[in-house]
Amino acid sequence: DVKVTQSSRYLVKRTGEKVFLECVQDMDHENMFWYRQDPGLGLRLIYFSYDVKMKEKGDIPEGYSVSREKKERFSLILESASTNQTSMYLCASSRAGISYEQYFGPGTRLTVT
Amino acid sequence: GENVEQHPSTLSVQEGDSAVIKCTYSDSASNYFPWYKQELGKRPQLIIDIRSNVGEKKDQRIAVTLNKTAKHFSLHITETQPEDSAVYFCAAALTDSWGKLQFGAGTQVVVTP
Repeated sequence: DVKVTQSSRYLVKRTGEKVFLECVQDMDHENMFWYRQDPGLGLRLIYFSYDVKMKEKGDIPEGYSVSREKKERFSLILESASTNQTSMYLCASSRAGISYEQYFGPGTRLTVT
Repeated sequence: GENVEQHPSTLSVQEGDSAVIKCTYSDSASNYFPWYKQELGKRPQLIIDIRSNVGEKKDQRIAVTLNKTAKHFSLHITETQPEDSAVYFCAAALTDSWGKLQFGAGTQVVVTP
C-alpha cells in the first residue's frame, strides 16, 4: 500500500517566518510533487522533482523553494512566509513517466498570520 | 504550456441521475488524461484515466470520453449515489512532461437523495 505522509496536518506561522513542509513516500517513486490547493483554483503545481537533487519549477514557484536530498523525502520551503501563502499544501509521488498515478499525502493546512 | 479548463464548477444531481463533467485542454501534444476524486477532508485519488489512442473507457458506473480533434474530454457518472459526492479534478499531461499534470479547477458534485 502506497503511503505518502506529510510532517504536519495543521500549521500556524507568522509573517516573515521560514517554514518547512516535509513529505515522505515509501514506494521508491522517482517523481515527487508539491501542489497548492485553493478553492476554485484546483491543484496548482509549485515544484516538481524527478530525481534526487533534481527539481523543476511548476506554475507558481515564486516565494517557494524545494529540497530533495534523499529519494523518499521532498521538502517545500517558504523562505519568508506571507499571508497570501495561507493555503492547503499537498505532496504527491509517482513512478517516472507520464501515465502513472500520482499518490497524494493528506495535506498540510498552513495559516500565516 | 498546457491549460485545462473544467466545467461546471458545481453540479447538483438527484440520486440515480447521471452527472457529466467536461474539460478542455489547449496543447494538442497532451496524451494522457486522468480524473481524480477528492472526498471532503481526504486526499485526491485517481478514479479513471484515458490515453490519447483511446476514445472511451469505462469502469462500472464511471466512463471517460476523449475527443482529440476538439481537445476535450468528459467524465460520466451514471446512477449517482451519495458516495459520489466529492470534488472531481480532470488533468492533462504532455508526452515530454516527466509525469507532470496540469489540473482543472475542479467540480464540486453534490448528490441529493
